[in-house]
Amino acid sequence: EPEVTQTPSHQVTQMGQEVILRCVPISNHLYFYWYRQILGQKVEFLVSFYNNEISEKSEIFDDQFSVERPDGSNFTLKIRSTKLEDSAMYFCASGTSETGELFFGEGSRLTVL
Amino acid sequence: DQQVKQNSPSLSVQEGRISILNCDYTNSMFDYFLWYKKYPAEGPTFLISISSIKDKNEDGRFTVFLNKSAKHLSLHIVPSQPGDSAVYFCAAHYGGATNKLIFGTGTLLAVQP
Repeated sequence: EPEVTQTPSHQVTQMGQEVILRCVPISNHLYFYWYRQILGQKVEFLVSFYNNEISEKSEIFDDQFSVERPDGSNFTLKIRSTKLEDSAMYFCASGTSETGELFFGEGSRLTVL
Repeated sequence: DQQVKQNSPSLSVQEGRISILNCDYTNSMFDYFLWYKKYPAEGPTFLISISSIKDKNEDGRFTVFLNKSAKHLSLHIVPSQPGDSAVYFCAAHYGGATNKLIFGTGTLLAVQP
């Protein structure tokens, strides 16, 4: 069964360092997303991506964040200069339709020290 | 601004009995509502959805009910099984150009054998 894959599963970084989280969405999907979940809290929307551009971003997704789909298969989230409060589980998701059924990856746990 | 609320952080049910998980929302513009199940250290997994024009959708042991006038939906699991123990997230979908999900805070369901 097709699935969304994410790497790395866990990354530990120092505050101020750049981090890139990678995702391979399901191949025929058109909509791509990043969500995050801080420990014990809800799953929060970060950004949606469609037709090679950002369709919407949340207040969390400030200038330190960027997304790219560089080669038609990967979908990356870059955090330019990490802060302690960026520590969270980051989930990539993709979907085909406009009914909201998204398929999520297993997540990348980011720990900022 | 909590547009999707799950007021019960946890629920404990005996195996074989019915589990009822509740969700309230505030925005009338949502066009679909979805339930996701999440195990620790895994991504959310889609369970079942309902269009805003319907009041019930059933899939096996899972049934979702939507009361638009009360802006309330519920997920019924009958009969509950120990393997159903997980965190359940209610999510609401914005359609059109936005096309994103807004998640509730989750309810931890524990099904006791």
